[in-house]
Amino acid sequence: EDQVTQSPEALRLQEGESSSLNCSYTVSGLRGLFWYRQDPGKGPEFLFTLYSAGEEKEKERLKATLTKKESFLHITAPKPEDSATYLCAVRGYSGGGADGLTFGKGTHLIIQP
Amino acid sequence: DAGVIQSPRHEVTEMGQEVTLRCKPISGHNSLFWYRQTMMRGLELLIYFNNNVPIDDSGMPEDRFSAKMPNASFSTLKIQPSEPRDSAVYFCASSFGAGSDTDTQYFGPGTRLTVL
Repeated sequence: EDQVTQSPEALRLQEGESSSLNCSYTVSGLRGLFWYRQDPGKGPEFLFTLYSAGEEKEKERLKATLTKKESFLHITAPKPEDSATYLCAVRGYSGGGADGLTFGKGTHLIIQP
Repeated sequence: DAGVIQSPRHEVTEMGQEVTLRCKPISGHNSLFWYRQTMMRGLELLIYFNNNVPIDDSGMPEDRFSAKMPNASFSTLKIQPSEPRDSAVYFCASSFGAGSDTDTQYFGPGTRLTVL
């Protein structure tokens, strides 16, 4: 069974204070690791997909990296508008059927001005 | 593109009543997914369809839950009878499908269900 654990559960940063969110996963053959952003009262919004260890992707102040056991979402010089819950999910060969995603519970990020 | 459309956005009902949630996927997408989100369990996959055919319903909690996709542009998730523990936010997502590793799921705004 695929499993995803995210840490910390919540993180409060000052504007401009860089940090990293962690996503540890167990999967029977990784077909993709996904990062989503979720704002209150809205559906998850797609950010990145990573497929193999060593891969990195960037978007504005966010950079996602991947190893064989975990992924990090690095946030550089965050702004208040980066406040959201960040969700990590995996697609494996057995969890969620062939195509479904297994999600972690998310990291609730607050950026204070 | 309007994105994934879900209705209603909020539903409040009493225990024992039938509840029907609706979803219109993004045009051209062939896969549709139903997820449920709670504080305790996070986002969980309930069922998904490829080309209108249910592929995996192992996440459906019990027989009170059923889902249909009569055509490529419409799906329903029905709970009958509803119970207070069904209270959650229900999300629909769609993707191009075909089992590709590069396939990305796009989520709707969700339906917040409260069962009293």
